[in-house]
Amino acid sequence: DQQVKQNSPSLSVQEGRISILNCDYTNSMFDYFLWYKKYPAEGPTFLISISSIKDKNEDGRFTVFLNKSAKHLSLHIVPSQPGDSAVYFCAFLSGNTPLVFGKGTRLSVIA
Amino acid sequence: GAGVSQSPRYKVAKRGQDVALRCDPISGHVSLFWYQQALGQGPEFLTYFQNEAQLDKSGLPSDRFFAERPEGSVSTLKIQRTQQEDSAVYLCASSSPREQETQYFGPGTRLLVL
Repeated sequence: DQQVKQNSPSLSVQEGRISILNCDYTNSMFDYFLWYKKYPAEGPTFLISISSIKDKNEDGRFTVFLNKSAKHLSLHIVPSQPGDSAVYFCAFLSGNTPLVFGKGTRLSVIA
Repeated sequence: GAGVSQSPRYKVAKRGQDVALRCDPISGHVSLFWYQQALGQGPEFLTYFQNEAQLDKSGLPSDRFFAERPEGSVSTLKIQRTQQEDSAVYLCASSSPREQETQYFGPGTRLLVL
């Protein structure tokens, strides 16, 4: 029973263009949504988050969008830079339950 | 310390051997989490501590897995009689009372059971 689907295992984007990473979820009890970024041989690093009362949160080049009716979360990176190349995980919280992670999308930004 | 640290970074164990993985959370973080990340998957929750109390161990896959945090800071995840399916990266994360939703991860311990 997969609560979170991160359907694209990989994504390639040209430097300077927009990267769009997506997650779908089924659990309507999720109330806090996060994106983590992971480089090889390192732990996930918190990137940006959004609570269920908002539909957009922006931090520099990173914007997270939440569509509660569609149960869809996305991360936009613009402009994309080669240093953004990493694996990106969406993660979901519901009350006091543990974080639930997607399987990750490997983003490659090509110079 | 500046961030969450974990040791060892890499561990090779023979099947049946016991292993102990250590996590040093960020100073002042009362919440501590352990996750298991298999190849090609996202991290999966194992267990959670608030200070020294283990509040949730629902993710531990078997009774061979045991975690402790006796003084509310450093935590140890112990795996007894390791099996090949235990091979994974074990991640530790901590969070502060003021920012409970955001967990900060260590670099992980990569365990390979032969």
